[in-house]
Amino acid sequence: EAGVAQSPRYKIIEKRQSVAFWCNPISGHATLYWYQQILGQGPKLLIQFQNNGVVDDSQLPKDRFSAERLKGVDSTLKIQPAKLEDSAVYLCASSLDRDGTEAFFGQGTRLTVV
Amino acid sequence: AQTVTQSQPEMSVQEAETVTLSCTYDTSENNYYLFWYKQPPSRQMILVIRQEAYKQQNATENRFSVNFQKAAKSFSLKISDSQLGDTAMYFCAFMKLAGTYKYIFGTGTRLKVLA
Repeated sequence: EAGVAQSPRYKIIEKRQSVAFWCNPISGHATLYWYQQILGQGPKLLIQFQNNGVVDDSQLPKDRFSAERLKGVDSTLKIQPAKLEDSAVYLCASSLDRDGTEAFFGQGTRLTVV
Repeated sequence: AQTVTQSQPEMSVQEAETVTLSCTYDTSENNYYLFWYKQPPSRQMILVIRQEAYKQQNATENRFSVNFQKAAKSFSLKISDSQLGDTAMYFCAFMKLAGTYKYIFGTGTRLKVLA
């Protein structure tokens, strides 16, 4: 079975520019997560989708971050405008359902804002 | 709010030896899961082991086992017969079985297995 696909793997942008990340979860997985992992820290949840609805975006900086999940499958996470403190690895994960089953992670996108 | 604490930023172990990684958590919930995830340099997080809070028996997966102490809110990971491929960051995570079912991760322990 194919895993969670993310692109790009790396991105370098200047502050105030915009950037988008893409995630294709495992087929049939209803739950999709976006995590931000700053160097030296554990992943922090940004947004969680159940099918194409948002169930938790309490830690998403909504003035600059946005996310959508098209038709309950692929998802994009956008930052506009980017700040230096947004430099991090952005991890996408999916699970079969919202019930404690295993989450499968992609390889992440390393974002550097200069 | 739930918190997860990993107090060992880095650890090392000789190949074939045993190592224990510590994790404590804080919650008022009664129904939850605890996880250990491994993150190698490739950055892809991989599930190592999972423990349901209602189960008294400690989970085991081959060389990996946990010591789950619910009253003490402690969840340590024991790796037996350490292998070079075990070198990675290890994250402890908590999920309450209600609401959004989101993972809350600790800050991680970097484990290095020495040849």
